[in-house]
Amino acid sequence: AQSVTQLDSHVSVSEGTPVLLRCNYSSSYSPSLFWYVQHPNKGLQLLLKYTSAATLVKGINGFEAEFKKSETSFHLTKPSAHMSDAAEYFCVVTSNTGNQFYFGTGTSLTVIP
Amino acid sequence: DSGVTQTPKHLITATGQRVTLRCSPRSGDLSVYWYQQSLDQGLQFLIQYYNGEERAKGNILERFSAQQFPDLHSELNLSSLELGDSALYFCASSVVSRGDYNEQFFGPGTRLTVL
Repeated sequence: AQSVTQLDSHVSVSEGTPVLLRCNYSSSYSPSLFWYVQHPNKGLQLLLKYTSAATLVKGINGFEAEFKKSETSFHLTKPSAHMSDAAEYFCVVTSNTGNQFYFGTGTSLTVIP
Repeated sequence: DSGVTQTPKHLITATGQRVTLRCSPRSGDLSVYWYQQSLDQGLQFLIQYYNGEERAKGNILERFSAQQFPDLHSELNLSSLELGDSALYFCASSVVSRGDYNEQFFGPGTRLTVL
């Protein structure tokens, strides 16, 4: 069975400091992994995706994630947080057919001015 | 703007009632997915349609049903509503049914409140 665990339900950083949102996955095959962001009262927007190409994936708004098979992790990072980054972030793993998305429980990011 | 539209934006109804949520996918996308987002259950996959046919089923209750029409829009029908059905319901669409390139684009959601 596939699943993701987002290790922190809340993360608080100061503006201009690095962001690290942690995600571990469990999968019996080589998965596709995604990070989505949800701003208040908005739908989900794709930040980046890993689909078995390069292990370091660059996304929108300066976010990156690195796929580490040995650690079954797909952590999301950004060198310098901006106020507009405050949102809920979801790590997602797909089923082996790609049909189903399994969402983590989300990490709420607060950016302190 | 993802290109996926959902109506209505908000829906308030009473227990025992039936409602229909509507979704129009991005132009060219054949797959439509429905999700439920609630505080206690998080984001859960309900069901997927691909080009009019049901393709995958998740944690969808028997009181819920969906369909995808020839013009590719989809409807999610929720019946015998209970207080616990109050949630945000998202629709997403993607180009393909399966495979690596299965990025999903999400609509803004329909907020359902059952009183």
